[in-house]
Amino acid sequence: NAGVMQNPRHLVRRRGQEARLRCSPMKGHSHVYWYRQLPEEGLKFMVYLQKENIIDESGMPKERFSAEFPKEGPSILRIQQVVRGDSAAYFCASSLLRAGAGANVLTFGAGSRLTVL
Amino acid sequence: KNEVEQSPQNLTAQEGEFITINCSYSVGISALHWLQQHPGGGIVSLFMLSSGKKKHGRLIATINIQEKHSSLHITASHPRDSAVYICAVSKETSGSRLTFGEGTQLTVNP
Repeated sequence: NAGVMQNPRHLVRRRGQEARLRCSPMKGHSHVYWYRQLPEEGLKFMVYLQKENIIDESGMPKERFSAEFPKEGPSILRIQQVVRGDSAAYFCASSLLRAGAGANVLTFGAGSRLTVL
Repeated sequence: KNEVEQSPQNLTAQEGEFITINCSYSVGISALHWLQQHPGGGIVSLFMLSSGKKKHGRLIATINIQEKHSSLHITASHPRDSAVYICAVSKETSGSRLTFGEGTQLTVNP
């Protein structure tokens, strides 16, 4: 039973390019969270998704960032026209139970480290 | 002021020492989480607790809801315990979405 799988583990992009980060939740988990860890900073919430729905995107930058979790396939965090300030580690976590049913144990992926040149 | 505060920021110990990391929060929570982040960067969930105390191996986590305070203890510390330990809370209003402390960098020397 594989855990949360994130790929790529490392991604290098030049300014202005697009970055796509993928997250496959644990088997049976239908709730996905994306968090960002900027260099020398703590983790910050970005977005919470269920299958085909964005539940809470209050932590997402208003421009250039988008996320989806289709019915089939992994969740994708997409960053358009990357800038140097987007360089960070992006972590995905998944959970089993419905949000609002109380807090759930989260399983984290190993993270995707984005470097923007 | 951050909603979740950890202390100390950095902690160096000798192998075998008893270690305590503290976490205070200022919001209503449904649960508190302790996470471990290793130098390679991966994050592991150690505990999720909403009351009392939990123990797993040499790790013990306690929480005092009235005082809005939690502690993570490591007994008989070992160099492999060296990592960043992160306290995070699930706020009452936000389900499983986590709000994080800044982390405590622990270094255990042989």
